[in-house]
Amino acid sequence: SQQGEEDPQALSIQEGENATMNCSYKTSINNLQWYRQNSGRGLVHLILIRSNEREKHSGRLRVTLDTSKKSSSLLITASRAADTASYFCATPISSGSARQLTFGSGTQLTVLP
Amino acid sequence: DAGVTQSPTHLIKTRGQHVTLRCSPISGHKSVSWYQQVLGQGPQFIFQYYEKEERGRGNFPDRFSARQFPNYSSELNVNALLLGDSALYLCASSSGTANYGYTFGSGTRLTVV
Repeated sequence: SQQGEEDPQALSIQEGENATMNCSYKTSINNLQWYRQNSGRGLVHLILIRSNEREKHSGRLRVTLDTSKKSSSLLITASRAADTASYFCATPISSGSARQLTFGSGTQLTVLP
Repeated sequence: DAGVTQSPTHLIKTRGQHVTLRCSPISGHKSVSWYQQVLGQGPQFIFQYYEKEERGRGNFPDRFSARQFPNYSSELNVNALLLGDSALYLCASSSGTANYGYTFGSGTRLTVV
């Protein structure tokens, strides 16, 4: 089952605009991670935010985390056509000695030139 | 350093057949995890191996099995293939059992006909 859900499912914007994607999750977390996936290929780790952090920046990426609402957002500023991809939030779950990531269903971002 | 390598990149199998997918982790990484990603959905956890031992298993039938070798590479085996097994199979490696620091391979696209 999916732990998180991204919103919107699809987003289409013009180059240069900002893109905001939201993620909600169900259980308490230690950290939340955002990944990018191009055309059904491998996942690329973008940024990790810990449960005691509220905001984090990395280049054109800004991530926020609200643990009281169990939600996170990913903002991509000044988007480029190359940012076109699917974006997933993922939360780690520990079960015994196992460590697994639980992913949302993703947001498909299309940046139009 | 090479990243996580998976082979083959694409595979077509017939229902009822067996398939073996392979993954080589980043040098020095001792943990390998397998995920299944059905088209349009986020990845779902299948297995985690650490130091050649199974540490966790997702909600998948016994037709799915895996193992990790002394060099930390891993194989995912699926028996009695069903049409619903068609998916992108992703391998992720990490240095230990922390819930961060995952690097994903580019995946194996399995099509069952």
